[in-house]
Amino acid sequence: QSALTQPPSVSGAPGQSVTILCTGTSSDIGYYDRVSWYQQSPGAAPKLIIHEVTSRPSGVPDRFSGSKSGNTASLTISGLRAEDEADYFCSSYSSESTFIIFGGGTTLTVL
Amino acid sequence: QVQLVESGGGVVQPGRSLRLSCAVSGFPFSRYGMHWVRQVPDKGLEWVAVIYWDGSREFYADSVKGRFIISRDNSNNTVYLQMNSLRAEDTAIYYCVRDRFLQFFDYWGQGTLVTVSS
Repeated sequence: QSALTQPPSVSGAPGQSVTILCTGTSSDIGYYDRVSWYQQSPGAAPKLIIHEVTSRPSGVPDRFSGSKSGNTASLTISGLRAEDEADYFCSSYSSESTFIIFGGGTTLTVL
Repeated sequence: QVQLVESGGGVVQPGRSLRLSCAVSGFPFSRYGMHWVRQVPDKGLEWVAVIYWDGSREFYADSVKGRFIISRDNSNNTVYLQMNSLRAEDTAIYYCVRDRFLQFFDYWGQGTLVTVSS
């Protein structure tokens, strides 16, 4: 069982928006603004798309946005495109584990 | 451009050892901490170990503590993961990743598959 909880799957039609939730505790997401999100396409390594809750690395479209409320972080993808189909993982620094913990991953299907 | 290239994976029997290497280029290696993160194929990610930019400190996940050793050679831009007393549950793709402030990972290698099986 992963330390952070994500839904196994979400889906949306092209052009729509989807939000992926990542639930932790007061020892990780709830206390630290150190939430990151990674996108993993089939057969590829994960790619950083959001760090420090809301920041996007250079080159990541602004269709990807992050937020946090209490012990839950969110990744919202607006204007869905076929190429957004991938697995998405959240992560957070944790004071109860050694360093970084991950969610179990969410598979996004673009209908 | 930034490149991280892992090598050393393969099939190994339980209880045996294996050493992974990660050759880095495209950035000043000696200024960055480095991690290993693993992933059981088609499953989730697990952080394994980190080594500080100067090699002064190392930290490990509880699942590998006492069995794995992370090290680095700043003169050769390489980070290593010595894996001892391997178990079936260590079977995974091992990624070498660059650290950012001990908070997130901004560059990943392509991964190397380690299979522990008799």
